Amino acid sequence: GAGVSQSPSNKVTEKGKDVELRCDPISGHTALYWYRQSLGQGLEFLIYFQGNSAPDKSGLPSDRFSAERTGGSVSTLTIQRTQQEDSAVYLCASSIQNYEQYFGPGTRLTVT
Amino acid sequence: AQRVTQPEKLLSVFKGAPVELKCNYSYSGSPELFWYVQYSRQRLQLLLRHISRESIKGFTADLNKGETSFHLKKPFAQEEDSAMYYCALSPFNQGGKLIFGQGTELSVKP
Repeated sequence: GAGVSQSPSNKVTEKGKDVELRCDPISGHTALYWYRQSLGQGLEFLIYFQGNSAPDKSGLPSDRFSAERTGGSVSTLTIQRTQQEDSAVYLCASSIQNYEQYFGPGTRLTVT
Repeated sequence: AQRVTQPEKLLSVFKGAPVELKCNYSYSGSPELFWYVQYSRQRLQLLLRHISRESIKGFTADLNKGETSFHLKKPFAQEEDSAMYYCALSPFNQGGKLIFGQGTELSVKP
């Protein structure tokens, strides 16, 4: 079946611009997670959704980062006024409750 | 503080040799622990979780609460085991979010 998909696969943007990253989870998966994979920081948790609500936003690095999920399905991670330190691979994962998380291929963001 | 430490960035062994990837954690409670693996040009995927006590692809990991460790072991490494390995902790009742270690790159040479 279809796995988790993310778009775009690569995004190059200029410092100061806003970007939107999209995640399509596996159908029926109620939980959705965003992580960031960067050279200096490894894999970091950003935010978690259960349905359309986000009980845990503790990993968002600043108020420039926000995320939403609609219809219990697609999620969008938005980064406003991008900075060079935002360059990373952004990973999305979905799961049924606390079971195995299935990861997407990631979006590689480069801020120039 | 909740933290996962993988002390080795790179581990290089020869085919057929035993391999042990180290993982230590810091957590004030009973953690749920995992090993995830990322093969070249593939997605991050679950290798094993401690509660299932399985052996996957010949790998095993035992939770040692006294030493707060969850080392990953395989008696005879294969070239196809070359990958990036991440140890992860899921805190109790926090929605299943994962706290990852920095990862260890395993290189198995022929």
